[in-house]
Amino acid sequence: GAVVSQHPSRVICKSGTSVKIECRSLDFQATTMFWYRQFPKQSLMLMATSNEGSKATYEQGVEKDKFLINHASLTLSTLTVTSAHPEDSSFYICSVGTGFEAFFGQGTRLTVV
Amino acid sequence: GQQLNQSPQSMFIQEGEDVSMNCTSSSIFNTWLWYKQEPGEGPVLLIALYKAGELTSNGRLTAQFGITRKDSFLNISASIPSDVGIYFCAGLTTSGTYKYIFGTGTRLKVLA
Repeated sequence: GAVVSQHPSRVICKSGTSVKIECRSLDFQATTMFWYRQFPKQSLMLMATSNEGSKATYEQGVEKDKFLINHASLTLSTLTVTSAHPEDSSFYICSVGTGFEAFFGQGTRLTVV
Repeated sequence: GQQLNQSPQSMFIQEGEDVSMNCTSSSIFNTWLWYKQEPGEGPVLLIALYKAGELTSNGRLTAQFGITRKDSFLNISASIPSDVGIYFCAGLTTSGTYKYIFGTGTRLKVLA
């Protein structure tokens, strides 16, 4: 399966600042990546589908201006949380889709203070 | 967003016991996936199922893709302490662009 590396694993930022999370596909040409958000003791909620070379497709209710996704190459997708607020604190996880299976990064714990 | 329903929500079992959990949906999926997630980490793929009726094993794990393509189950035989974690099913939908929808999760605790 695909090996996915996500960075950073943890980040603390001040309210109002922006945070960028990187998701790298180390051994698979990833035309499609996915970004999920997970609250404590809950399931993974799909935020958006990241398409290489084109705009991301956001799920209903996800603010595209707040969660900026860039997928400029077949190995890297980034999620930028803009003007972060405490309610954006969560566990963010990316995955690489092969068209059959999905392989996940280690996740990023974002805390906004 | 759309989710799949998993049951049970949580399980406490004795080491050595077998475990069974299932996942149901109102929608048809083309592929069912089962994952395990440990605290603070991303989910790890356990088993992938590609066609209705398929039964697949991976060590002590066995999963089946329901005939109706709206459900799947996962069995764990002879549980051990390291089986502790949250198990998620996920369905691959290809209507429009493809994406993976996750189940609500089954939290498993194994008592030694």
